[in-house]
Amino acid sequence: EIVLTQSPGTLSLSPGQRATLSCRASQYVTSSYLAWYQQRPGQAPRLLIYAASRRATGTPDRFSGSGSGTDFTLTISRLEPEDFAVYYCQQYGTSLTFGGGTKVEIK
Amino acid sequence: EVQLVESGGGLVKPGGSLRLSCAASGFTFSIYSMDWVRQAPGKGLEWVSSISIGSSHIYYADSVKGRFTISRDNAKNALYLQMNSLRVEDTAVYYCARWEHDALDFWGQGTLVTVSS
Repeated sequence: EIVLTQSPGTLSLSPGQRATLSCRASQYVTSSYLAWYQQRPGQAPRLLIYAASRRATGTPDRFSGSGSGTDFTLTISRLEPEDFAVYYCQQYGTSLTFGGGTKVEIK
Repeated sequence: EVQLVESGGGLVKPGGSLRLSCAASGFTFSIYSMDWVRQAPGKGLEWVSSISIGSSHIYYADSVKGRFTISRDNAKNALYLQMNSLRVEDTAVYYCARWEHDALDFWGQGTLVTVSS
């Protein structure tokens, strides 16, 4: 099973700042199979990025995904109030696994 | 508008059973693979099971294999999860989600399953 490790666990930033979230895999992950989700409190997760760098329908362009192999990054260029949430990466290889999440909180 | 609505959650004793349902609307259900994902209180996401469009390919997480059964009825636009031999550690919100672009592109709001004596 491929283990995804997200860092940091919590990111404390102010609105307007840039957020950089990391997702590291224990084994090689095909870029096509790496996705990012946002989960706001009390809500279901929402797909933001698929295939490592493709924005899902409705994802604002301040969100971008990058990376390959075992290291992937989600970047939020300028944090809006609605972006303070938990973010999960997910891979699909021999099975589907999620990272433990990064909470982006207001500083 | 794509909608996924889960139902069937509730309180059950350890060793008991529950059947979750997910009603799909707003898209052609029969051409999408579907998944169940759960989230224990205050914890992260855990994939549970997936089923292909014709039910020919079915997969389970090791934690539920042999106890849970996923199924679908394309005529009724419905996804199911039969959960037997429930354990305290199965307590979670269970989400159904649609598989597209090698990711889960739409999620329901979830149904809470509580396993407790």
